[in-house]
Amino acid sequence: QLQESGPGLVKPSETLSLNCTVSGASISTDGYYWGWVRQPPGKGLEWIGSMYYTGSPYYNPSLKSRVTVSVDKSKNQFSLILSSVTAADTAVYYCARHFIAAAGGFFDYWGQGTLATVSS
Amino acid sequence: DIQMTQSPSTLSASVGDRVTITCRASQTISDWLAWYQQKPGKAPKLLIYKASSLQNGVPSRFSGSGSGTEFTLTISGLQPGDFATYYCQQYHVYSTFGPGTKVDI
Repeated sequence: QLQESGPGLVKPSETLSLNCTVSGASISTDGYYWGWVRQPPGKGLEWIGSMYYTGSPYYNPSLKSRVTVSVDKSKNQFSLILSSVTAADTAVYYCARHFIAAAGGFFDYWGQGTLATVSS
Repeated sequence: DIQMTQSPSTLSASVGDRVTITCRASQTISDWLAWYQQKPGKAPKLLIYKASSLQNGVPSRFSGSGSGTEFTLTISGLQPGDFATYYCQQYHVYSTFGPGTKVDI
């Protein structure tokens, strides 16, 4: 299971920080990245970025300059930091297990999602 | 960037119908394609990966086919719990989702 946590409201130009706690599996499992996908209200899905437990990041080029994904093996958690947010970053943020294949991969387990709203 | 399109955007169907959704990629992606089902207020659920491989626990009425740039998701014998939005996702290079197809009554 994956469970997101973090503040639901962030001010414009500030930083969004979310955590994902993994239970029932080790974040240090070979072959899987741990990633984030978001969905603006009423819209489609957008992959943000993923991280391997060894510290190899993998980011969406369109968001790369503002995104950091990190892994805390001791807590079996991983995190998302998105800087300089605007209203366009308002979305439900999902954490997910990312099975890497080809130069991408699919998402086989998902958290329930957490809504992050950017507003002053 | 690889762009994904889906058709139709909305599909009206009845219980028992055979339903087909099409997904097209802007360039060849071999068979690096996944399909997801999403119900309102819920996370997406993986149905199919590598274009035609059924994820564990997914009913066999779901099937996927295609390679290159054109793919289909077929639901054979629509069930009440299948009314949802379906997304395709390419993972040939990075990851891009299609805009979704809503299947409603």
